[in-house]
Amino acid sequence: EIVLTQSPGTLSLSPGERATLSCRASQSVSSNYLAWYQQKPGQAPRVLIYGASSRATGIPDRFSGSGSGTDFTLTISRLEPEDFAVYYCQKYGSSPWTFGQGTKVEIK
Amino acid sequence: EVQLVESGGGLVQPGGSLRLSCAASGFTFTSYWMTWVRQAPGKGLEWVANIKQAGTEKYYVDSVEGRFAISRDNAKSSLYLQMNSLRAEDTAVYYCARWGQALDIWGQGTMVTVSS
Repeated sequence: EIVLTQSPGTLSLSPGERATLSCRASQSVSSNYLAWYQQKPGQAPRVLIYGASSRATGIPDRFSGSGSGTDFTLTISRLEPEDFAVYYCQKYGSSPWTFGQGTKVEIK
Repeated sequence: EVQLVESGGGLVQPGGSLRLSCAASGFTFTSYWMTWVRQAPGKGLEWVANIKQAGTEKYYVDSVEGRFAISRDNAKSSLYLQMNSLRAEDTAVYYCARWGQALDIWGQGTMVTVSS
């Protein structure tokens, strides 16, 4: 089973700053089957990125995904007030479809 | 409008059973894998189960294998999760989600509490 480890656990930043979130897999993720989700309190998650680097429909271009193999990154180029939330990576393509433990991006 | 609406959550005693439902609308249900994801209070997301379009393939996280059963009724555009032998650690919000290019459509979730 592939384990996804996200870092840091919490990221304290100000609006307008750049956020860099990491997701490291215990084994190579085949075909870059890696997605990123955003979740705000009391809401269901929403997909931001799939296939490691493809933005989902309607996602602003300040969100970008990169990486391959075992190391993946979600970058938010300039934080907007609505971006403060918890972010999860997920590997898919073969069972189990595991999630990382999440990174909370909070206002500094 | 593309929508998923879960129902069936509630309070159940340890060892009990519950059946969750998820009604889909606004898209061609038969074209998509469907998924259940859960989130324990204050915790992260956990993938629970997947089912293929025709129901011919099903996959489960180890912790629910043999206790939970995912199914679908394509004629009713509905997804189900039969949960048996429930444990305290199954307490969570259960979301159904559509697998498009990722989990691209989610329901609002239904709360399951396992407690005596």
